[in-house]
Amino acid sequence: DIQMTQSPSTLSASVGDRVTITCRASQSISSWLAWYQQKPGKAPKLLIYKASSLESGVPSRFSGSGSGTEFTLTISSLQPDDFATYYCQQYNTYSQTFGQGTKVEIK
Amino acid sequence: EVQLVESGGGLIQPGGSLRLSCAASGFTVSSNYMSWVRQAPGKGLEWVSVIYSGGSTYYADSVKGRFTISRDNSKNTLYLQMNSLRAEDTAVYYCAGPTNQGGAFDIWGQGTMVTVSS
Repeated sequence: DIQMTQSPSTLSASVGDRVTITCRASQSISSWLAWYQQKPGKAPKLLIYKASSLESGVPSRFSGSGSGTEFTLTISSLQPDDFATYYCQQYNTYSQTFGQGTKVEIK
Repeated sequence: EVQLVESGGGLIQPGGSLRLSCAASGFTVSSNYMSWVRQAPGKGLEWVSVIYSGGSTYYADSVKGRFTISRDNSKNTLYLQMNSLRAEDTAVYYCAGPTNQGGAFDIWGQGTMVTVSS
């Protein structure tokens, strides 16, 4: 099975900061990578699909890049609503594994 | 409106069985693949199982041989039959899937809690 490793596990940042989260796959997944945002008690919300495509309705401050085994999610200017946990997910294979998550906290 | 509504969760003793349902509206569950994802209390997301449009099914090693994913096209509903439940199966269970060709999970249910405890 493909393993997905996110870093960092926790990130402390301030409103207006540029934030970058990294996700590494244990083998190539081409561009079959998604990013989700989850808030406590809620279902995850899709932000980015196919590594860099912005889901409809998601603010343009979110962007994704990468291919193969290394990917990043960038928030260009952190807003109060962005404090949440973020997960990457590969869907290159039937085993659609998630990363362990990155919690973005208020500094 | 495109939505998924799960039901069937609850408190069950170890070794017991439970069937979760996920009713879809606004799209067809058999048009693409649909998955179950779970989240143990305070933990991250764990993919559990997937059923493809052609009917092929796959499972995480942690549930293989105990859980069965299926769907009823006439009811536009996804199911997860869970047998031989263990304490470590305690989690919120979500159904999720793509409604377009992007392939990622752009629609999720609200989640249903399964607690395995004596």
